[in-house]
Amino acid sequence: GAGVSQSPRYKVAKRGQDVALRCDPISGHVSLFWYQQALGQGPEFLTYFQNEAQLDKSGLPSDRFFAERPEGSVSTLKIQRTQQEDSAVYLCASSLRTEGGTQYFGPGTRLLVL
Amino acid sequence: AQSVAQPEDQVNVAEGNPLTVKCTYSVSGNPYLFWYVQYPNRGLQFLLKYITGDNLVKGSYGFEAEFNKSQTSFHLKKPSALVSDSALYFCAVRSLYGGATNKLIFGTGTLLAVQP
Repeated sequence: GAGVSQSPRYKVAKRGQDVALRCDPISGHVSLFWYQQALGQGPEFLTYFQNEAQLDKSGLPSDRFFAERPEGSVSTLKIQRTQQEDSAVYLCASSLRTEGGTQYFGPGTRLLVL
Repeated sequence: AQSVAQPEDQVNVAEGNPLTVKCTYSVSGNPYLFWYVQYPNRGLQFLLKYITGDNLVKGSYGFEAEFNKSQTSFHLKKPSALVSDSALYFCAVRSLYGGATNKLIFGTGTLLAVQP
């Protein structure tokens, strides 16, 4: 079956531009996560949705970062007024269960801010 | 604070030899532990997890991991390495804080290089 998909795969933005990153989770998966992976580092948690409810956004680095999942399926991570330090790979993961389920990751979106 | 440590940035092993990638954790309560593998320009692929039960967990591609509560370790192992196993390996623990959050806390990764 289809896995988690993300688009675009690569994004180059000029400093100050807004960007939107899309995640299509595995069909039927209740939980959705966003992670940020800087070069040479492990992924770091950004935010978590259970269906359409954003239950944890403690990892969002600033108020320039905003995520939504309005219908409990597709999610969008938006970064406003991008800065060079936002350059990273943004990974989306989904999980069938809400408690301890395995998270399945998409291929990521590599964002480069110039 | 909850954390995961992967003490080796890189592990080198000859093809056919056994491999071990080390992971230790610090968490309150019973941990949920995971191993993922990442190939270049790809997302993370799930290998195996420990929730409860047998301390030896078997996963994909012949990998296994041993949960050791007294040593707070969850080392990844494979009896015979393949060149195609060369990749970046991440250990992760599920956070027990934040209410309903099941976020993962990742280690910094270990690059496995298998020489032919």
